[in-house]
Amino acid sequence: QLQLQESGPGLVKPSETLSLTCTVSGGSISSSSYYWGWIRQPPGKGLEWIGSIYYSGSTYYNPSLKSRVTISVDTSKNQFSLKLSSVTAADTAVYFCARHRFVLAAYGYNWFDPWGQGTLVTVSS
Amino acid sequence: QSVLTQPPSVSGAPGQRVTISCTGSSSNIGAGYDVHWYQQLPGTAPKLLIYGNSNRPSGVPDRFSGSKSGTSASLAITGLQAEDEADYYCQSYDNSLSASVFGGGTKLTVL
Repeated sequence: QLQLQESGPGLVKPSETLSLTCTVSGGSISSSSYYWGWIRQPPGKGLEWIGSIYYSGSTYYNPSLKSRVTISVDTSKNQFSLKLSSVTAADTAVYFCARHRFVLAAYGYNWFDPWGQGTLVTVSS
Repeated sequence: QSVLTQPPSVSGAPGQRVTISCTGSSSNIGAGYDVHWYQQLPGTAPKLLIYGNSNRPSGVPDRFSGSKSGTSASLAITGLQAEDEADYYCQSYDNSLSASVFGGGTKLTVL
């Protein structure tokens, strides 16, 4: 059974860079036809897609965050990572990683399953 | 303001049927992109409930069903149970934003 687990600091100072890693177990991150994504949820609010990466390194980012986001993959460790720079209090959220079934040219292939349990990152001095 | 619009809340008594709407536009649902639905129980991660407008992953009860028409989609839950009390989110792709987008979420209360 595929499982994902987020890890990283729970507290980040304003203007610094948020860094999180997602470890995939029970399956290979190099599986074809799947991207690996990051989604966040501010406290009490809805979900926001941050970006996704293929095992080859191909990425798609949410244009609203693109200037501050970098997603990378390490197939040898079965992990992918998120870096979000110049954070502010507005970046305080629970960050989820998830497997992303995504084919841009196919109108139906774009869902997230399964999800990690999520990790709360607070931006505060 | 979410690209996909959902009612903030819906409610129903045990055993009843409720529906949750998801309204988009010509750049997402109306452009032909499929809609997917997630259930988020309190304090947990979202779980895929419906994919490709109307398909249920293995293990999801057939009390849950999805449909899509024009620029909108709907999630229906029949035989409402207390354990269905959760937040529900729709999701699709928007080609003007070049992004996967979520609805604002709907809180389902079982009376």
